[in-house]
Amino acid sequence: NAGVTQTPKFQVLKTGQSMTLQCAQDMNHEYMSWYRQDPGMGLRLIHYSVGAGITDQGEVPNGYNVSRSTTEDFPLRLLSAAPSQTSVYFCASSYARAPSRNSPLHFGNGTRLTVT
Amino acid sequence: GEDVEQSLFLSVREGDSSVINCTYTDSSSTYLYWYKQEPGAGLQLLTYIFSNMDMKQDQRLTVLLNKKDKHLSLRIADTQTGDSAIYFCAESSGGFKTIFGAGTRLFVKA
Repeated sequence: NAGVTQTPKFQVLKTGQSMTLQCAQDMNHEYMSWYRQDPGMGLRLIHYSVGAGITDQGEVPNGYNVSRSTTEDFPLRLLSAAPSQTSVYFCASSYARAPSRNSPLHFGNGTRLTVT
Repeated sequence: GEDVEQSLFLSVREGDSSVINCTYTDSSSTYLYWYKQEPGAGLQLLTYIFSNMDMKQDQRLTVLLNKKDKHLSLRIADTQTGDSAIYFCAESSGGFKTIFGAGTRLFVKA
């Protein structure tokens, strides 16, 4: 049981490049989400999904796209990377459609992205 | 909007108790969580408390909730060097969004 798997672990991009951060979970979780972690700011929600085919915006969605074609995968796309997107990105999932005490968030190990 | 605040650093000696504090603004918060992040890893759920509880104890961990003041604390008894990590307070009103604080980095001195 791998849990939540994120790839790559590290990535360096030049301004304007595009890339996709991958997230996969093997726990049959309904809910998946992307957070970014910046020093002194905690985790901020980028996008989330409550099931295949359903996505919605979080607190900081600009510059990011997501899709949820399967229950297992929830990729995060940066169409034109900017230095402000330098951060650590975490994917998290939960069993229920809404995280709760019986269905807390499970996190991947993160992707450290640097945009120069 | 909803906000969760916590101090950024705490340093304690090994064997002492650690108390990490958190305040939140959403009065409709239903679940309050403590997550632990070790270097290079994602966040792991440590414990949670439901909003109608005042206290929850789980081995060395004690969570206290003052709902009137919207104040949450995590006490770690007999703190060990392995407890060195970043601790995140988080709240959810049962919806689709969990709001996290900035994290408190706990340093444990041997």
